Amino acid sequence: AQSVTQLGSHVSVSEGALVLLRCNYSSSVPPYLFWYVQYPNQGLQLLLKYTSAATLVKGINGFEAEFKKSETSFHLTKPSAHMSDAAEYFCAVSDRGQAGTALIFGKGTTLSVSS
Amino acid sequence: GAGVSQSPSNKVTEKGKDVELRCDPISGHTALYWYRQSLGQGLEFLIYFQGNSAPDKSGLPSDRFSAERTGGSVSTLTIQRTQQEDSAVYLCASSLQGGSETQYFGPGTRLLVL
Repeated sequence: AQSVTQLGSHVSVSEGALVLLRCNYSSSVPPYLFWYVQYPNQGLQLLLKYTSAATLVKGINGFEAEFKKSETSFHLTKPSAHMSDAAEYFCAVSDRGQAGTALIFGKGTTLSVSS
Repeated sequence: GAGVSQSPSNKVTEKGKDVELRCDPISGHTALYWYRQSLGQGLEFLIYFQGNSAPDKSGLPSDRFSAERTGGSVSTLTIQRTQQEDSAVYLCASSLQGGSETQYFGPGTRLLVL
C-alpha cells in the first residue's frame, strides 16, 4: 500500500531564509508525486508534480522538489521564503500503474514565515 | 476559465439529518474525485468517477455515504443520518483524464454536524 510521511507538522522560517519541507513516500511501483499548497479557507493548489521526467521538478512561486528514489524522498524547497508562502503544504502520491487513481496525502506541514 | 465549484460553502446540520453536497467540475474533465479533510484524519479519498465507468467507492467510510455523477458532469455527495464525526471539509477535484493528470480542487464544503 502506498503512503506518504511528512516530517514536521509545523515549520517556521524567517523571511528570506531557505524553506525545506520533507516528504518520504512508500510505494511498490514507481509513483507519481505531487506537492499541493492550501491557503486558509481555500482549496488545494498544485505546486508541482513528478511523473518520471526530470528528477528535479520546478513549480510555481519559486518552489522546486527533487525525486530521490534511493531515499524514497520528494522534499520541497525554496531558496528564499516570502511572507506570502505561509500556508499548509501537502505531499501526495498516486499509483503510476493505474489510470485515474486517487491521491494519497501526507498529514500536511504548516509553514510559518516571520519578518 | 471557471474552476471547480462546490456548494454550499458551509453547511450546519443536526445529527441524524441527511445532507447533499454538490460539485461542479471543470468543463471537459472526465475524472472527478471526492476527498474529506478533517483534523483527526487529514485528507482522505472518498470516491472517484471516470467517464461512464463504475465509480471507485473504496474510500467511502460507511454505507451512509453515497455519491452520483449525472451526465458525466455534476456530482452530488450524500451523507445520510449524519453523525458528529462526519464534520469535516469535503473537497471535490477534477482532472482531464485521471492518472498523472493534475487534479484541480474546489474550495470545499465545510460541514458541521451538531
